Amino acid sequence: SQTIHQWPATLVQPVGSPLSLECTVEGTSNPNLYWYRQAAGRGLQLLFYSVGIGQISSEVPQNLSASRPQDRQFILSSKKLLLSDSGFYLCATDRGGSEAFFGQGTRLTVV
Amino acid sequence: AQSVAQPEDQVNVAEGNPLTVKCTYSVSGNPYLFWYVQYPNRGLQFLLKYITGDNLVKGSYGFEAEFNKSQTSFHLKKPSALVSDSALYFCAVRDRMAGGGNKLTFGTGTQLKVEL
Repeated sequence: SQTIHQWPATLVQPVGSPLSLECTVEGTSNPNLYWYRQAAGRGLQLLFYSVGIGQISSEVPQNLSASRPQDRQFILSSKKLLLSDSGFYLCATDRGGSEAFFGQGTRLTVV
Repeated sequence: AQSVAQPEDQVNVAEGNPLTVKCTYSVSGNPYLFWYVQYPNRGLQFLLKYITGDNLVKGSYGFEAEFNKSQTSFHLKKPSALVSDSALYFCAVRDRMAGGGNKLTFGTGTQLKVEL
């Protein structure tokens, strides 16, 4: 079965600092990978998705970017964080028509 | 655009009683519907899905959901609630994207509180 690793679990960063969140997947090959953000403990919004190495699609314009340097690695980045980037970031994966599985998330607080 | 609605922010139920968490959907074409549960500061856990077939779908931890096409609903149910079921529940609809991935559009979530 597939396992998703996300780190760090929590992060406090000052405004204007860079960001790098990493997600890796085990137990599957050539997965679809996703970054979702959950704001205020409720609504989830798809930020980026990738169907293969180097292939990134963005769902919403924002201060963030994503990269997929390896088949099972997905990275969320920012050059300069804004207060509005605070939230709970979730990595997810699916393969073909299966349901999506989520990582344990990273809680980012920008101060 | 596809969407789901969860009309209740919170549902309270006594342990041992049946529970229902409501979800209605709006889609073009056949719906692919999901229920997820989230415990505090944790990721989402998959409970069950409806793709096609029987309208009553059975999932994890004793949960089930009933797909009703005429009412465009997909309510989550459990015959006997446990205190440990207390969590945030999300209904979602899946849409195939042009780039080949699958986008989940979530409802706003329903906080379930099960009391002794």
